[in-house]
Amino acid sequence: GAGVSQTPSNKVTEKGKYVELRCDPISGHTALYWYRQSLGQGPEFLIYFQGTGAADDSGLPNDRFFAVRPEGSVSTLKIQRTERGDSAVYLCASSVSGGAETQYFGPGTRLLVL
Amino acid sequence: QKEVEQNSGPLSVPEGAIASLNCTYSDRGSQSFFWYRQYSGKSPELIMSIYSNGDKEDGRFTAQLNKASQYVSLLIRDSQPSDSATYLCAVKGYGTASKLTFGTGTRLQVTL
Repeated sequence: GAGVSQTPSNKVTEKGKYVELRCDPISGHTALYWYRQSLGQGPEFLIYFQGTGAADDSGLPNDRFFAVRPEGSVSTLKIQRTERGDSAVYLCASSVSGGAETQYFGPGTRLLVL
Repeated sequence: QKEVEQNSGPLSVPEGAIASLNCTYSDRGSQSFFWYRQYSGKSPELIMSIYSNGDKEDGRFTAQLNKASQYVSLLIRDSQPSDSATYLCAVKGYGTASKLTFGTGTRLQVTL
């Protein structure tokens, strides 16, 4: 079946602009995760959804970052007033139910803030 | 101290040799452990998961877990050039904590 998909694959924006990154999880997966990966680092957790609700948003760096999952499937990560330090690859993952099982990653969105 | 520590490498091994990748973690309550492979410019891909002490084998890959020492390793037998990638160790905490905490990854180079 189809894996996790993310759009756009690349996004270039200017400092101060607003961006939205989209994630479409594997069909039937109730758990969805957002991670951010900077060059030379491992992925860093941002937020975890169980169904429509954010079960853990402890990784969001500040209030410029917000994510939604209104119908329990597709999720959007929103970044306001982007800064150059936000440049990274934003990875989305999904898993069956959010327990100990495997998280499957999407291809990522490479964000560059100029 | 980082929560999950890996040697960044590069670890260079000749084709056909065994590659040994190591990872230590700080949270003694961690329950689930994963090894992901990441090719340059690509997203992480699961190689192995391990949940209990001991060895778990899958083809050329063996994961080893020692919770007392807070140590998890990945052995790759008969290393191939296609195994050249960054290997990420990821740890999931206890109970309702579902997030993965990753190490910085070890870059493996398999030479001809």
